[in-house]
Amino acid sequence: ETGVTQSPTHLIKTRGQQVTLRCSSQSGHNTVSWYQQALGQGPQFIFQYYREEENGRGNFPPRFSGLQFPNYSSELNVNALELDDSALYLCASSPDRGQYNEQFFGPGTRLTVL
Amino acid sequence: AQSVTQLGSHVSVSEGALVLLRCNYSSSVPPYLFWYVQYPNQGLQLLLKYTTGATLVKGINGFEAEFKKSETSFHLTKPSAHMSDAAEYFCAVTNYNQGGKLIFGQGTELSVKP
Repeated sequence: ETGVTQSPTHLIKTRGQQVTLRCSSQSGHNTVSWYQQALGQGPQFIFQYYREEENGRGNFPPRFSGLQFPNYSSELNVNALELDDSALYLCASSPDRGQYNEQFFGPGTRLTVL
Repeated sequence: AQSVTQLGSHVSVSEGALVLLRCNYSSSVPPYLFWYVQYPNQGLQLLLKYTTGATLVKGINGFEAEFKKSETSFHLTKPSAHMSDAAEYFCAVTNYNQGGKLIFGQGTELSVKP
């Protein structure tokens, strides 16, 4: 059984650019959540997708957007990058959107904004 | 609103000694509580979770945690530390109406001395 995978592993962008991060959920999982983990901090919830629909959003501006595809993989898009967007972006999948279902995390994408 | 506070950003113990990582939460409704571990350059792995029922929860790798409502705490313990336990540990909270959104603490880095 393949776990959660994310691509790319590392990414360097300049301020004002746009970026797309990708996540493949674990087999059989229909829910994907995205988190931002700044250096030395705990992860912060960005949003969650359940069966291709957004199912909750954290305190992030609209320039953070996402998609979920019919195979339940997901993308995180960030427009107009700012220096503070530099962080580790974690994707987590779960078998359903239940609040106490275990979320299985991928290794993350390290984004650096210069 | 819910929140999590992890006391001590860095804890150092000797191999074989007791591990105690502290977590206090704030929640106006019954919480669901989690401990995750993060090894360098990896995603988060679930150690254990409390949803309902028995307040003493056993997890993987010999870790356990006790939910104490009166103290709003969910401290993580392990009787005997191993070198392989060195990692970052995160406490997280959610509840029945959060749709899977996890709120994480700042994390505690555990060092194990030989």
